[in-house]
Amino acid sequence: NAGVTQTPKFQVLKTGQSMTLQCAQDMNHEYMSWYRQDPGMGLRLIHYSVGAGITDQGEVPNGYNVSRSTTEDFPLRLLSAAPSQTSVYFCASSLQGGSYEQYFGPGTRLTVT
Amino acid sequence: GESVGLHLPTLSVQEGDNSIINCAYSNSASDYFIWYKQESGKGPQFIIDIRSNMDKRQGQRVTVLLNKTVKHLSLQIAATQPGDSAVYFCAENRYTGANSKLTFGKGITLSVRP
Repeated sequence: NAGVTQTPKFQVLKTGQSMTLQCAQDMNHEYMSWYRQDPGMGLRLIHYSVGAGITDQGEVPNGYNVSRSTTEDFPLRLLSAAPSQTSVYFCASSLQGGSYEQYFGPGTRLTVT
Repeated sequence: GESVGLHLPTLSVQEGDNSIINCAYSNSASDYFIWYKQESGKGPQFIIDIRSNMDKRQGQRVTVLLNKTVKHLSLQIAATQPGDSAVYFCAENRYTGANSKLTFGKGITLSVRP
């Protein structure tokens, strides 16, 4: 099993550009989530999905969109990048919700200039 | 415990000593707690978890203690090694309506002195 994979590892965007961060898992997990991590901060939940076709907002959803068309994939879209979105982004998956261990991907480091 | 601002609190221990990392959680209804370790440049890695119907759980060299009365969680690492140097996060599972989500603390840096 590859676990949770994320692409790209690094990305630089200009303000106003859009892009999609990719996340995939091969563990047949129902629950997937996106977090951002800023210096000196813990992980903050952006969006999550409890299964294919179902998504919901987390703590900091503004400026991001998600969709879940398959169990395996959970892409995160930045609609119009802003410097405040400079961060490290982690995707995670678990069997069911927050009451089970979440497996994290290696992260995507995004810089918006 | 929890940190505010940009700088994570740091715990410095001598190699071979035991480490105790503390965490305060906020929601008395949280039913699941988990400790993660994050090394530089990597994603968080599971260490150990505990459900609210327990007050202690042991793993290999690690023990998690849960005190629901004061909403306190601790991670004990026995015979700390240089490879234990990392940032440690506690997380609690909170229910919001029909769904549950993990909420993370801000993290504590463990530094192991040789």
